[in-house]
Amino acid sequence: AQTVTQSQPEMSVQEAETVTLSCTYDTSESDYYLFWYKQPPSRQMILVIRQEAYKQQNATENRFSVNFQKAAKSFSLKISDSQLGDAAMYFCAYRSLIIQGAQKLVFGQGTRLTINP
Amino acid sequence: GAGVSQSPRYKVAKRGQDVALRCDPISGHVSLFWYQQALGQGPEFLTYFQNEAQLDKSGLPSDRFFAERPEGSVSTLKIQRTQQEDSAVYLCASSARIILQQFFGPGTRLTVL
Repeated sequence: AQTVTQSQPEMSVQEAETVTLSCTYDTSESDYYLFWYKQPPSRQMILVIRQEAYKQQNATENRFSVNFQKAAKSFSLKISDSQLGDAAMYFCAYRSLIIQGAQKLVFGQGTRLTINP
Repeated sequence: GAGVSQSPRYKVAKRGQDVALRCDPISGHVSLFWYQQALGQGPEFLTYFQNEAQLDKSGLPSDRFFAERPEGSVSTLKIQRTQQEDSAVYLCASSARIILQQFFGPGTRLTVL
């Protein structure tokens, strides 16, 4: 079974600075998706960024980018120019592409990000 | 509607009561997922539907949990004889096809006293 580990329960950063959230995962599969989701206090889970394992190029979405190291099974999220609205819980998630029916997301424990004004 | 909706947003139940949680997916989305999120934890998979077929229920924690989606749209998660350990936020997500992005609802916070 796949597992996802986020080793940083909490992180804080000054507004306008850059922060990196860590995520490692364990799988024996070669094809999969990795995601970062943001969950504000309102609880609505919002997709931040997605990475396909077969792509060597790291995904970017505006101020958000990832560092995907497939061999090391590492998938970190970098937030540049942090804004107050970035404060939330961030979850790393894994989804298999191989096994029919195994389309569930496997989540890490989350990292609470605080932005200091 | 514009997004996934869930009702009620909050539910308080006495231990032993039965509860029913509703999920309205985005119109036309064939895949529907239920997740359970305990306080301070990441969501954990409960069950998955493709249209009206329940293809994976491996995450349901006990036979007190039951989910249905009879017409392939609205889904209901039912918990019988609720226990305190059932207290959690229950999230619903839908996607247009199996491999596409899952869109999440706001969740139902269940508190069992």
